[in-house]
Amino acid sequence: GAVVSQHPSRVICKSGTSVKIECRSLDFQATTMFWYRQFPKQSLMLMATSNEGSKATYEQGVEKDKFLINHASLTLSTLTVTSAHPEDSSFYICSARSRPGQLDEQYFGPGTRLTVT
Amino acid sequence: GEDVEQSLFLSVREGDSSVINCTYTDSSSTYLYWYKQEPGAGLQLLTYIFSNMDMKQDQRLTVLLNKKDKHLSLRIADTQTGDSAIYFCAESKGYSTLTFGKGTMLLVSP
Repeated sequence: GAVVSQHPSRVICKSGTSVKIECRSLDFQATTMFWYRQFPKQSLMLMATSNEGSKATYEQGVEKDKFLINHASLTLSTLTVTSAHPEDSSFYICSARSRPGQLDEQYFGPGTRLTVT
Repeated sequence: GEDVEQSLFLSVREGDSSVINCTYTDSSSTYLYWYKQEPGAGLQLLTYIFSNMDMKQDQRLTVLLNKKDKHLSLRIADTQTGDSAIYFCAESKGYSTLTFGKGTMLLVSP
């Protein structure tokens, strides 16, 4: 089956530093990857959609200069949280869609727990 | 705007059936999904139903869709302790992004 990995699974960083999270599709090519943020006991909120080789499309209210997304290849997308602050602490989940124009079957990564101290 | 609502918590005994309910507002939704999230993990797609279907059964899972009332349910037969997780309902229009509900925490007690 389709597998999506994320690295790291957990990260703790100091306020003001930047953190990069990687999302990889291991056994398929992902033309589209999605980044979500999940607060405790809350739903997943879509942050941005990235298509390989083009700029990410950010959802309303998501700062593109703070959450930098790069989808440089068909198997890798990265999310960089720049100048992180405690309010950025959250669970970040990526997903990947394998076949454009098909059912919205997104395969989800295991998530990355970010804690900003 | 689009909205997906779910009850937040359900508790059942092992062996009983569980029914998790979901309502949505967007009548143009094409696909409706059920995802499972175990603690500290990502989401696993359990099943989905196309909007022109009323029911879909997959082993212990039965999905019922009432399109008129915009109501979706997931029934888990013979619920096991391993089914304890958060279950998310989601909708999409086929080739667009998913809109998720807040999730229903299912607790299965022995």
